[in-house]
Amino acid sequence: EAGVAQSPRYKIIEKRQSVAFWCNPISGHATLYWYQQILGQGPKLLIQFQNNGVVDDSQLPKDRFSAERLKGVDSTLKIQPAKLEDSAVYLCASSLDGTSTDTQYFGPGTRLTVL
Amino acid sequence: ILNVEQSPQSLHVQEGDSTNFTCSFPSSNFYALHWYRWETAKSPEALFVMTLNGDEKKKGRISATLNTKEGYSYLYIKGSQPEDSATYLCAFINNAGNMLTFGGGTRLMVKP
Repeated sequence: EAGVAQSPRYKIIEKRQSVAFWCNPISGHATLYWYQQILGQGPKLLIQFQNNGVVDDSQLPKDRFSAERLKGVDSTLKIQPAKLEDSAVYLCASSLDGTSTDTQYFGPGTRLTVL
Repeated sequence: ILNVEQSPQSLHVQEGDSTNFTCSFPSSNFYALHWYRWETAKSPEALFVMTLNGDEKKKGRISATLNTKEGYSYLYIKGSQPEDSATYLCAFINNAGNMLTFGGGTRLMVKP
């Protein structure tokens, strides 16, 4: 079974530029998550989708971050414009149904460096 | 804001040593605790999901215990091997929602 796919793996941009990340979850998984992991800290949930609806985006900086999951499968996360403090690893994860004991399966992440 | 803390932040051990580290979380409104292993340049991998006070889980040389009344979980690795080198993350969920709150991780390095 294929795992969670993410691209690109690495991205370097200058501040005020825009960037987009793509995630393809495990087939059949209804729930998709985007996390931000800043060096030295644990991953922080940015947004959670159940199919193509948003369940939780309370920690998403909505002035510059946006995410969509239009057909309930793939998802994109966008940052526009980027700031230096956005340098982090962006992890995508999926789970079967999003319950509290459901295992989340992670992709390899996209490492973003903002100069 | 939920406070999930892991200690130590990093740990160096020799091959063959057994080791353990701690995840502390709020003891009220506990619902579940997840443990993950994250090797460099790979995806975080789920190890355990723990829900009951006194729970013990085991996977090969790795085991975990849970104390929900005092708000901690221990992860043990018996006879550490170089391939155990990774960051070990715990994540807590309370019964108010289903959002994982991660600790900062313990970075384990096993020297051959």
